[in-house]
Amino acid sequence: GAGVSQSPSNKVTEKGKDVELRCDPISGHTALYWYRQSLGQGLEFLIYFQGNSAPDKSGLPSDRFSAERTGGSVSTLTIQRTQQEDSAVYLCASSTDGYGASPLHFGNGTRLTVT
Amino acid sequence: DQQVKQNSPSLSVQEGRISILNCDYTNSMFDYFLWYKKYPAEGPTFLISISSIKDKNEDGRFTVFLNKSAKHLSLHIVPSQPGDSAVYFCAASASGNEKLTFGTGTRLTIIP
Repeated sequence: GAGVSQSPSNKVTEKGKDVELRCDPISGHTALYWYRQSLGQGLEFLIYFQGNSAPDKSGLPSDRFSAERTGGSVSTLTIQRTQQEDSAVYLCASSTDGYGASPLHFGNGTRLTVT
Repeated sequence: DQQVKQNSPSLSVQEGRISILNCDYTNSMFDYFLWYKKYPAEGPTFLISISSIKDKNEDGRFTVFLNKSAKHLSLHIVPSQPGDSAVYFCAASASGNEKLTFGTGTRLTIIP
């Protein structure tokens, strides 16, 4: 079946503009995660959704970052007033039940470049 | 505070030999560990995992070893193949905490 789909694959934006990144998880997966990878860094946790529970937003770096998940499926990560340090690859992942032992299935990411 | 550390950013190994990738962690609450493999322009893919109740898990050419007292785990690949060239991430989680904490990755290059 289809894997995790992310769009766009690449996004170049000017500093100060808002961007929206989209994630379509694997059908039936209840857990959805956003991570980002900055140049030379590991994967940094941003936010986690599980079913109808309140999301874990503990990894969002600032209040310019927000995310929502509609209907328990598609998720959108929004970055307002982008800064150059927001440049990174933003990765979305889903898993069957959100337990740490359940492998995450990642999309190919959105490469965001803020000029 | 880097709770999962991969101290070798890169590793080169001759084809057919054993590749050993290392990972250290500091959080004693971690009880599940995973390895992911990442090719350029693709997302990471799950490779192998181990629970803290075990000290070894094997899957074909891949074996993960866990030393809880040293807070250290390693991934062994034998024999190494050119298709194994990728970035390998170590990740850990604690029961009751759903988010994975990742290391910074090790770039493995298999030399034909």
